[in-house]
Amino acid sequence: SQTIHQWPATLVQPVGSPLSLECTVEGTSNPNLYWYRQAAGRGLQLLFYSVGIGQISSEVPQNLSASRPQDRQFILSSKKLLLSDSGFYLCAWSVQGFNIRIEQYFGPGTRLTVT
Amino acid sequence: GEDVEQSLFLSVREGDSSVINCTYTDSSSTYLYWYKQEPGAGLQLLTYIFSNMDMKQDQRLTVLLNKKDKHLSLRIADTQTGDSAIYFCAVPMNTGFQKLVFGTGTRLLVSP
Repeated sequence: SQTIHQWPATLVQPVGSPLSLECTVEGTSNPNLYWYRQAAGRGLQLLFYSVGIGQISSEVPQNLSASRPQDRQFILSSKKLLLSDSGFYLCAWSVQGFNIRIEQYFGPGTRLTVT
Repeated sequence: GEDVEQSLFLSVREGDSSVINCTYTDSSSTYLYWYKQEPGAGLQLLTYIFSNMDMKQDQRLTVLLNKKDKHLSLRIADTQTGDSAIYFCAVPMNTGFQKLVFGTGTRLLVSP
């Protein structure tokens, strides 16, 4: 069966510090990968998605970046965090290819607090 | 782009039925989805409905779709305290890729 891991689970970082959040998927190959942010009282905002190694698309302009160094590894980074980067970050995967039914499977999330 | 709206909060008593509503703007959506998020956790796919259906029932869950009004609802029968969570509806983005647009989420609080 497929599983998706995220770490760390919680993180408290000062403004201006760097960030690296990691997501890995097991039990499937060549998945589509997604990074979402959930801010307090708001819905999910899609930040990045990837269809393959080194292929990253950004949905919104921001000071975050994403990388996919391996097939089942997705990393979210920042060089300098802002207060507005605080939130709950969720990684998700879906089966590769064009599927009429889009089932996305989510990781447990990382709670980031920027102080 | 696609816009998906939900009310933010719903409070019910245990044993009552809960109805969570969602409206969307893109009428080309094929499948529409409901996800559940328990406190401090990721989202879990709860159920989905294909756009050529009006209703889908899955045990205590009933999904109703009104395509004309672009309105989707999730009914939970005999609501239990374990159903307390945030419920998100989601529809595909009309961009040709496997992306979803999520609503703001409805927080369901079930009191004993």
